[in-house]
Amino acid sequence: SQQGEEDPQALSIQEGENATMNCSYKTSINNLQWYRQNSGRGLVHLILIRSNEREKHSGRLRVTLDTSKKSSSLLITASRAADTASYFCATAPNTGTASKLTFGTGTRLQVTL
Amino acid sequence: DAGITQSPRHKVTETGTPVTLRCHQTENHRYMYWYRQDPGHGLRLIHYSYGVKDTDKGEVSDGYSVSRSKTEDFLLTLESATSSQTSVYFCAILGDPGNTIYFGEGSWLTVV
Repeated sequence: SQQGEEDPQALSIQEGENATMNCSYKTSINNLQWYRQNSGRGLVHLILIRSNEREKHSGRLRVTLDTSKKSSSLLITASRAADTASYFCATAPNTGTASKLTFGTGTRLQVTL
Repeated sequence: DAGITQSPRHKVTETGTPVTLRCHQTENHRYMYWYRQDPGHGLRLIHYSYGVKDTDKGEVSDGYSVSRSKTEDFLLTLESATSSQTSVYFCAILGDPGNTIYFGEGSWLTVV
């Protein structure tokens, strides 16, 4: 079963608007990561937030983590058409090897001009 | 680009035939992974390797086997392909910084 579930499944916004995607997970984690996938390509790592962190920034990306609610959000500010892609959260377990990531089903983001 | 090459990139095969997908890396990473991606399921881990000859099962390992005889190569074999194994297969490695996964470009497999 999937550890992470993204919400919404699809999101359509206009260029310049902010895009927010949410991820919920089920078990304790060591860290949570967000990845991006352009159509027909492999996934690309965007940002990692550790379980003891609450917020992290990288350029136009802002990630929050609420371990009490087992949820995370990814905010992309001032969206561009080039941000059109699918976005996945992935969780690394808190026990055992932290190298086994479990991915969610993704949010498809469409940014229109 | 983490130096990951998948081959073949596209393949059409018939039900019941064996298929091997190859993943090659150039940067001596210890951990390698095979995922499959299907609509509505996201990415699911098939098998992974934590060293030469050291492999373990993932979430959806039935019908698949793997081998890693050299650090740089991780092979995924479908012993007898079925239509349910039509999918996009991604190889990945665990790179630096720790816990960051780097993906190959994918192998599109169609079983008819």
